[in-house]
Amino acid sequence: AQKITQTQPGMFVQEKEAVTLDCTYDTSDPSYGLFWYKQPSSGEMIFLIYQGSYDQQNATEGRYSLNFQKARKSANLVISASQLGDSAMYFCAMREGGAGGTSYGKLTFGQGTILTVHP
Amino acid sequence: DAGITQSPRYKITETGRQVTLMCHQTWSHSYMFWYRQDLGHGLRLIYYSAAADITDKGEVPDGYVVSRSKTENFPLTLESATRSQTSVYFCASGEVSMNTEAFFGQGTRLTVV
Repeated sequence: AQKITQTQPGMFVQEKEAVTLDCTYDTSDPSYGLFWYKQPSSGEMIFLIYQGSYDQQNATEGRYSLNFQKARKSANLVISASQLGDSAMYFCAMREGGAGGTSYGKLTFGQGTILTVHP
Repeated sequence: DAGITQSPRYKITETGRQVTLMCHQTWSHSYMFWYRQDLGHGLRLIYYSAAADITDKGEVPDGYVVSRSKTENFPLTLESATRSQTSVYFCASGEVSMNTEAFFGQGTRLTVV
């Protein structure tokens, strides 16, 4: 079963505007971590931001923030003031705590969202 | 150089051949992962390893074999390559701690003809 779901195959945003990329996850583990990565056309995977399941506040890293709604099991990435260089594929990922099982540390990804920033 | 490196970067092989993709990291990270990236599927986990001699299956392990005799190396072997295994393969490594990110290699583009 898919544990990370990104329902937006593609998103478009105007330069300097904000955009939200959606991510929902499924786990019964009380301890987990959520990550967002960026993959530009060159192919490398770039880590953007992390949110822990026990974190009380939403994570922020520069222009990136994570809208973490634990009860809804969503961890949406918000990019403020979009730039042309933000055009890329974005992946949401979850690392599990493995409570009651053997999957501790397992890191799974969603299908990704292609973001295009228009000038 | 510190980091995580994959080799080869590009590989073309024939159906039925065995091929091994190499992954080497210099950080002594406990965890290592293998993913394949295909259009429409994102990154799918093939196998992962929590430490030397400890490996576990991911979402799509069929047709693949891994080993981890040393902490720094995590080779992925396609025992008998099929066209459906044409993909971009990524290796990653990370600490045990849940709140640290995984670091990725540059990827290996494998074509099975």
